[in-house]
Amino acid sequence: NAGVTQTPKFQVLKTGQSMTLQCAQDMNHEYMSWYRQDPGMGLRLIHYSVGAGITDQGEVPNGYNVSRSTTEDFPLRLLSAAPSQTSVYFCASSSGRGGHNEQFFGPGTRLTVL
Amino acid sequence: KQEVTQIPAALSVPEGENLVLNCSFTDSAIYNLQWFRQDPGKGLTSLLLIQSSQREQTSGRLNASLDKSSGRSTLYIAASQPGDSATYLCAVVNRDDKIIFGKGTRLHILP
Repeated sequence: NAGVTQTPKFQVLKTGQSMTLQCAQDMNHEYMSWYRQDPGMGLRLIHYSVGAGITDQGEVPNGYNVSRSTTEDFPLRLLSAAPSQTSVYFCASSSGRGGHNEQFFGPGTRLTVL
Repeated sequence: KQEVTQIPAALSVPEGENLVLNCSFTDSAIYNLQWFRQDPGKGLTSLLLIQSSQREQTSGRLNASLDKSSGRSTLYIAASQPGDSATYLCAVVNRDDKIIFGKGTRLHILP
């Protein structure tokens, strides 16, 4: 098993550009989630999904969109990047519908918005 | 709104000592609490998961306890080693399926 994979590892964007951060898991986990990690702020939940076709907002959803068309994939879209979105982004997955089991994290994507 | 606090924010101890990291949360209606380790520039590694019905979990030199009614968890590390140096994070899963993290404790084990 590859576990949770994220691409790209690094990305530099200009303000206003759009991009999609990819997240995939091969463990057949129902629950997937996206976080951003900023110095002094810890990890904050952006969006989460309890299963294919279902998504919901976390603590800091503004400026981000998600979809969950398959169990395996949970992409995060930035429609119009802003410098405030410079951060490290982590994707995670968990078995069970509500994330009630052990969370497995991807290696992260470091995003810089100029 | 659930808030998770970790104290202290940073801790330095000599090698070989036992130590305790603290995590507190404001809403006791949780499904579980999980402790993670994060090395600089890396992702998170799961250490221990405690379900809301459990009081503690152990893995090797690590022992995590949970007192849901008082909103507290501790991570006990026995016989610390320089390789234990990392940031330790706790996270709770709320009844609304949202996962809330503390800001972490940066641990430095002095050789």
